Amino acid sequence: EVQLVESGGGLVQPGRSLRLSCAASGFTFNDSAMHWVRQAPGKGLEWVSGISWNSGTIGYADSVKGRFTISRDNAKNSLYLQMNSLRPEDTALYYCAKDVYASGSGNWFDPWGQGTLVTVSS
Amino acid sequence: DVQMTQSPSSLSASVGDRVTIVCRASRSISWYLNWYQQKPGKAPKLLIYATSNLQSGVPSRFSGSRSGTDFTLTISSLQPEDFATYYCHQSYSTPYTFGQGTKLEI
Repeated sequence: EVQLVESGGGLVQPGRSLRLSCAASGFTFNDSAMHWVRQAPGKGLEWVSGISWNSGTIGYADSVKGRFTISRDNAKNSLYLQMNSLRPEDTALYYCAKDVYASGSGNWFDPWGQGTLVTVSS
Repeated sequence: DVQMTQSPSSLSASVGDRVTIVCRASRSISWYLNWYQQKPGKAPKLLIYATSNLQSGVPSRFSGSRSGTDFTLTISSLQPEDFATYYCHQSYSTPYTFGQGTKLEI
């Protein structure tokens, strides 16, 4: 069974940093691109970032570009999101999601983890 | 960026009803449109990928179609477990974008 388990969320002050992790199991991790998608409280879904199987292709939403960094460790079956210069508008539930492909577009996300909550507030 | 306009934002329906949700892309995205279902407190679940392909395990009352840049999710006969929020998602180009969501209520 494919499992994605996010961790690392919490309460952080504006301007500070946080690192999210996603532990993957039940599939060959380095066969899949991976993504972070967030959902602010009571709001819709927003794609944050994605990374190809070999980290060769990386993309970010404009809202986080220059502040967030996605990475992966295929040896540890893990995905990461380093979030710097956090803002109150970054407050959201952050989901890790598996891509159906190793890279490229025309893809879809399945499954998703249960999410980790990030709250940015003083 | 490709903008996805989803309508309606909410919909009241009854068990047995046929319902349709529409997502319009701001430009051509070919067939690269997916649909997800989200229930309260749960992660989104893939329903349909690439416009009209039913994900394994998803009931056949769900279907998807396309007309140009308009994409439709249809539920042929609503069941109690279908009351949830539905999102479309374009995967034609990054940044990938989602529709605003449609909350389907009893």
